[in-house]
Amino acid sequence: AQKVTQVQTEISVVEKEDVTLDCVYETRDTTYYLFWYKQPPSGELVFLIRRNSFDEQNEISGRYSWNFQKSTSSFNFTITASQVVDSAVYFCAPEGVRGSNYKLTFGKGTLLTVNP
Amino acid sequence: NAGVTQTPKFRILKIGQSMTLQCAQDMNHNYMYWYRQDPGMGLKLIYYSVGAGITDKGEVPNGYNVSRSTTEDFPLRLELAAPSQTSVYFCASKQFRNQPQHFGDGTRLSIL
Repeated sequence: AQKVTQVQTEISVVEKEDVTLDCVYETRDTTYYLFWYKQPPSGELVFLIRRNSFDEQNEISGRYSWNFQKSTSSFNFTITASQVVDSAVYFCAPEGVRGSNYKLTFGKGTLLTVNP
Repeated sequence: NAGVTQTPKFRILKIGQSMTLQCAQDMNHNYMYWYRQDPGMGLKLIYYSVGAGITDKGEVPNGYNVSRSTTEDFPLRLELAAPSQTSVYFCASKQFRNQPQHFGDGTRLSIL
């Protein structure tokens, strides 16, 4: 079974601040994938990024960047120069390979509020 | 493409009633999932299917049933609705393992 801990329950920042959301996970799989999803106030779930456990190269996409460290089982997400539209709940979700039948385990989410 | 379509969007049930939440996808995806999301919580897996005719239990299956007679449809059945089943229900699908899941817009269900 997998376990996910999203360290921050809620974060509140002022627009243009940088913000980092921390995710720590436990898994027995040696090979796995990690996902981040966003849920804006409108309620839909939006896929943001997928990483596999073989690739620890950090990734930047526009204002978003991800820091994956297999040694510490952490997969953190940073928004640079936050905007009000970034306000949402963000979910970290590992997906196992063997024995889990490729099911996602969602964390409880981090509620990010970006104030103007 | 419509993607993943869930119906209805909202529903109020009385305790003890039953109903079926519909989920359909038009992407020819093999994997389909049902989740529930309680206020302030992440998503919990109810049931999933890896292909037509194959279903399996997730983390919180009690009080629910599913079937997968076609690739496109994955209905979720609530028997004898209880207040504890008040939640937002999401259906999702994906084509291959380790691919991102595509989510429907959700069904908000209240049981009074």
